[in-house]
Amino acid sequence: KQEVTQIPAALSVPEGENLVLNCSFTDSAIYNLQWFRQDPGKGLTSLLLIQSSQREQTSGRLNASLDKSSGRSTLYIAASQPGDSATYLCAVREETSGSRLTFGEGTQLTVNP
Amino acid sequence: KAGVTQTPRYLIKTRGQQVTLSCSPISGHRSVSWYQQTPGQGLQFLFEYFSETQRNKGNFPGRFSGRQFSNSRSEMNVSTLELGDSALYLCASSSDYASEQFFGPGTRLTVL
Repeated sequence: KQEVTQIPAALSVPEGENLVLNCSFTDSAIYNLQWFRQDPGKGLTSLLLIQSSQREQTSGRLNASLDKSSGRSTLYIAASQPGDSATYLCAVREETSGSRLTFGEGTQLTVNP
Repeated sequence: KAGVTQTPRYLIKTRGQQVTLSCSPISGHRSVSWYQQTPGQGLQFLFEYFSETQRNKGNFPGRFSGRQFSNSRSEMNVSTLELGDSALYLCASSSDYASEQFFGPGTRLTVL
């Protein structure tokens, strides 16, 4: 059974700092991995999708990497801003599970002005 | 292009009642998935529909059911509501099983 773990559970940083969020998964037979952000009481906003054949994806100040063989992904946020404050979730789609995503518990990020 | 829409946004029900939630996917998307989010359990997969067929099902009791229509819109139904069914119910759509998934704003269900 796939298990996804995110470390740390919570993170508080001053504005302008670069930071890394970690995600690990137990079964490397994944099709892709997706990072989301969630604001309190809201739905999920897709940030980046990495296919299993890719090593990384970039969008603006965000960079996500994937090491499928070791079961790890990282989300790098450059020059953090207060507007980045949210919960960040990673989710994996396994090769045999259709569109089903297995989520981690998330990292709650607070960026202080 | 309009995003995923869910209705209603908020619902208050009492134990024993039933409820139907609706999800309209992004135009052209044929896959719709449903998730339950609670503080204790996080995001849990309920089921997935693709071209009107249930393709995958999570580990939830039979009180939870769903369907998908020919226009890809989907509904989920919960019968005999329990207090523990209080949650944010999220719907996601994608064009196929390999593609990026997009989530709606969710329906907040409170069971009293």
